[in-house]
Amino acid sequence: EAQVTQNPRYLITVTGKKLTVTCSQNMNHEYMSWYRQDPGLGLRQIYYSMNVEVTDKGDVPEGYKVSRKEKRNFPLILESPSPNQTSLYFCASNGSPTGELFFGEGSRLTVL
Amino acid sequence: AQSVAQPEDQVNVAEGNPLTVKCTYSVSGNPYLFWYVQYPNRGLQFLLKYITGDNLVKGSYGFEAEFNKSQTSFHLKKPSALVSDSALYFCAVRDGQGGKLIFGQGTELSVKP
Repeated sequence: EAQVTQNPRYLITVTGKKLTVTCSQNMNHEYMSWYRQDPGLGLRQIYYSMNVEVTDKGDVPEGYKVSRKEKRNFPLILESPSPNQTSLYFCASNGSPTGELFFGEGSRLTVL
Repeated sequence: AQSVAQPEDQVNVAEGNPLTVKCTYSVSGNPYLFWYVQYPNRGLQFLLKYITGDNLVKGSYGFEAEFNKSQTSFHLKKPSALVSDSALYFCAVRDGQGGKLIFGQGTELSVKP
């Protein structure tokens, strides 16, 4: 089954404690991206990747890091989380620039 | 700069009635337009897209959308709403000249029996 898998689905952490949200896709897609969803703001892109070792900033990259060492994986790293990073995070992949996105189930992060 | 707007935060419809969820956009080139649906506690699912061709696009679950270039709109429609259509709907646009995919703020659709 074609899917994008994110982990963890739910996480409560404290300010400053580094965390990583993993994302993996099994569709051999070149393009992957991270979004955060906040009420009234829709989805905002954090980072995206066009291929292995090729990443670029989205609209709200501050406080986040990513890496793309393998085609299937695109982890999101919060080096020093802060309360304003409390949000619902989605990983997505697509096979072409004009193709539809396939989304993971989301990771709800709370930073205390 | 490209942008997309969903002017209604919420749309309420009675089951069996037609529904419309509105979306307008702004891009400098030809638009690539998408609709996604999000059910509670789930990720977004693709409904339909317009790249080129026929202005009326048919998608999943009986939904369709009409591309109107002069009004820069891409409204989502369904002839007969179901209670199970209740969800959060997102319109998204990408500039055909290579811009990022931009999402609207979402419209909550509520279909009552």
